[in-house]
Amino acid sequence: DTEVTQTPKHLVMGMTNKKSLKCEQHMGHRAMYWYKQKAKKPPELMFVYSYEKLSINESVPSRFSPECPNSSLLNLHLHALQPEDSALYLCASSQELAGVAKNIQYFGAGTRLSVL
Amino acid sequence: AQKVTQAQTEISVVEKEDVTLDCVYETRDTTYYLFWYKQPPSGELVFLIRRNSFDEQNEISGRYSWNFQKSTSSFNFTITASQVVDSAVYFCALRQNFGNEKLTFGTGTRLTIIP
Repeated sequence: DTEVTQTPKHLVMGMTNKKSLKCEQHMGHRAMYWYKQKAKKPPELMFVYSYEKLSINESVPSRFSPECPNSSLLNLHLHALQPEDSALYLCASSQELAGVAKNIQYFGAGTRLSVL
Repeated sequence: AQKVTQAQTEISVVEKEDVTLDCVYETRDTTYYLFWYKQPPSGELVFLIRRNSFDEQNEISGRYSWNFQKSTSSFNFTITASQVVDSAVYFCALRQNFGNEKLTFGTGTRLTIIP
């Protein structure tokens, strides 16, 4: 089973709202990732967590705040977003960050976010 | 710096035709990994294959096959007897062995299979 579950599937929010995206996996993976994907573009890495600790922040604006409460769950808290933040937000997980057999990233179906 | 080029932006073929998606990469690393992902309209990126840089064996999985050639820095993907369900955006991606957990994606190829 290589399932990564993301909720909600769609989200519309105003620029003053606070919302959260949720990502869950039960594969025992210890690395989790947030990506942002604009239309007709490849995914862009935002954050990487390894063993529940933030490993990489790709200079993402502070209006995006990640959280990894446990090894199965990854949240992305959103506050004061701009219309240009509208995109598909994808979560992924892998067994580990590195290692020959362990670095395959499995993705969820994403949350389509619209900021009005 | 790493780079992945998918020169074909869009491809359309009639069902049952074979189609090859090209991927050319650049890296200074001697050990690296190459990936192909499929993204159907639903949005999820579906993992298809990972290839290690030290393993140049070509691979076949059903109607899918991959041709890895280090000499030309290419990792091409062929779908044989294409089906409508193969319609999607396909991404080729590259990752270093150590020190950088980033996947460098190509810009993707949108494949449309015409019934």
